[in-house]
Parts: sequence; structure tokens; C-alpha cells
Amino acid sequence: QAALTQPPSASGSPGQSVTISCTGTSGDVGGYDFVSWYQQYPGKAPQLIIYDVDKRPSGVPDRFSGSKSGNTASLTVSRLQPDDESNFYCASYAGSNNVVFGGGTTLTVL
Amino acid sequence: QIHLVQSGAEVKKPGASVRLSCKASGYTFTTFGITWVRQAPGRGLEWVGWISAYDSNINYGEKFQDRVIMTTDTDATTTYMELKSLESDDTAVYYCARVRAGSGFFDHWGEGTVVTVSS
Repeated sequence: QAALTQPPSASGSPGQSVTISCTGTSGDVGGYDFVSWYQQYPGKAPQLIIYDVDKRPSGVPDRFSGSKSGNTASLTVSRLQPDDESNFYCASYAGSNNVVFGGGTTLTVL
Repeated sequence: QIHLVQSGAEVKKPGASVRLSCKASGYTFTTFGITWVRQAPGRGLEWVGWISAYDSNINYGEKFQDRVIMTTDTDATTTYMELKSLESDDTAVYYCARVRAGSGFFDHWGEGTVVTVSS
């Protein structure tokens, strides 16, 4: 199962918005509305921030939003804050009880 | 509060096996599953597999199918993952996480267990 494709890095200034893409295939991202996003700080466990493409768990700010078009899912972080600087990973259900992650994107707040 | 408490760090020699544990609390254990995800130093997340605590369904990632065994002890609300024939590339932090039935997302994570494979 090939990993989903994410840009290695993304950046933005405080207050701006940044969008991170996650490209898969019709066998994963394009075939199911089961895309999730995780935020991970160095040395810490990942945290779920988006599930089922565009749903936010309780406690996650509405500055984080998700969407999907075809085989590409996207995470948008609005009104960037310095604390958003971290790594983001997408994941997708890939059929037959399999899950595949993206390679990860490092977000830098300039 | 939901907690997943993982076992301590392990150091193993190549060819050995390692067994990690993940004890769950704060929710009804048998209505969710547990997944295992690993992260090699400086690398991204890699899905290892998952096990259902409600119907004993198991699925392993293709890369690990020949070397991994996942089990659950429902009385102890604990899930175990054994990885055999360890190689240096298996050096990683291994996380367990809770997975909701019928979903593909992991909503609560353990703190991770460091596994080092070195001769």
C-alpha cells in the first residue's frame, strides 16, 4: 500500500491561512469518506484534528477544516498562530480493513 | 477520562521478538478496537494493523503480516502487539490508539513505546 502524498513542508505568517494537500487514489482517498488528519508536536503522540473528511472532534478549534475533491483531501489552517507550528499527517481508509498514512507535512509559522 | 498506557522502552537484538502492551481505561473496552502505528526516528507515521475488542477481527498491514501478532485480554482491557524477527529498521516509537467501530480514524493515543533494535 503506497503512502499518501503530502508536501514535505508548508508555511505561513500569523493570521494567514495555509492549506495542506493529501493525494491518494480511488482505492483510498477517492473511494471513501474516511480521511483523517493528525497534528503531532516533536516528541509527542499524534492528536486527531479532523475525521471523516471534514468533522472536528470536540475541543479542536474551528480554525482547522478539512475537505476532499476526487483523490485529494485538504487540511486548511486559518488564522495561523505560532502554536500551530508542528507536523501534520493525513490518513485514509484503504479498503479491506487497511489504513494508509501520508508522509507528513511540517508547518512553519513565519 | 480515556487513557491508553503503554509498556516501557525495549532494547532488542536483531532476530529477536518484542511484545508491547497497551492498557485502556475510561471507556467500554469491548465497543472499540485498538490500532498500532509506528514512527521511525525522523520519519512519518506507519500503520501496523488493528484488532477489534468487540468481535476479535484482526487486520495487519501487508508489510507486517508475516511478523506481527495482535491479541487482546478483555478482562485486563489490554491489547498486545508482538513483532518477530526484528531488524534495525524496526527501531521506532510504537503507538497504540483507539479506533471506533466502522471508522478509519484514531481518536485517542497512547504515549508511545520506544523500541531499539541493535546488536
